[in-house]
Amino acid sequence: ILNVEQSPQSLHVQEGDSTNFTCSFPSSNFYALHWYRWETAKSPEALFVMTLNGDEKKKGRISATLNTKEGYSYLYIKGSQPEDSATYLCALGSTLGRLYFGRGTQLTVWP
Amino acid sequence: EAGVTQSPTHLIKTRGQQATLRCSPISGHTSVYWYQQALGLGLQFLLWYDEGEERNRGNFPPRFSGRQFPNYSSELNVNALELEDSALYLCASSFGSRGGETQYFGPGTRLLVL
Repeated sequence: ILNVEQSPQSLHVQEGDSTNFTCSFPSSNFYALHWYRWETAKSPEALFVMTLNGDEKKKGRISATLNTKEGYSYLYIKGSQPEDSATYLCALGSTLGRLYFGRGTQLTVWP
Repeated sequence: EAGVTQSPTHLIKTRGQQATLRCSPISGHTSVYWYQQALGLGLQFLLWYDEGEERNRGNFPPRFSGRQFPNYSSELNVNALELEDSALYLCASSFGSRGGETQYFGPGTRLLVL
């Protein structure tokens, strides 16, 4: 069982603020790192898959970086909007099909 | 393109009964995964099916089983339901299964065991 930690557990920001969260994972036997956004009553939405150390991905105002040597990934949101309110999940991929999920960071953006 | 669909959306059963949950993957996807999110816990891997075969299962008792049909849709069966089986069950699908592929999730089935 791989332990994936996310911090903070929850975050409240004002509209327009930029924010970031952390995903920590064991650096040995790394395969892939996934980020998802999960809004209440909806399906988890895939944001990024990263496989290489130093990877950076961007989708609109959201970006992510990966450091496999030290075992962490950061997710950044620039200029948060109320519609960004969701739980952000990271997960380690494996060759055995399963994803190992963290508990998520719950983001609330106040107008 | 239609996403992953699951049925039913909600299911209420009593302890000892059996529950059957269904999942239709995205067209062209051959792998189907099942995850459980119990209250207060993160998503836990249950089962992985690929090309009709069970390829991996998580740390769940044998009461949790399933299958994948020739059209790649899948069924999760939970026998002898216990109160702690009350949870959200998510199905996901992917094209291929080498670990780096994105898993696309359905909206889930919320199971309540009374």
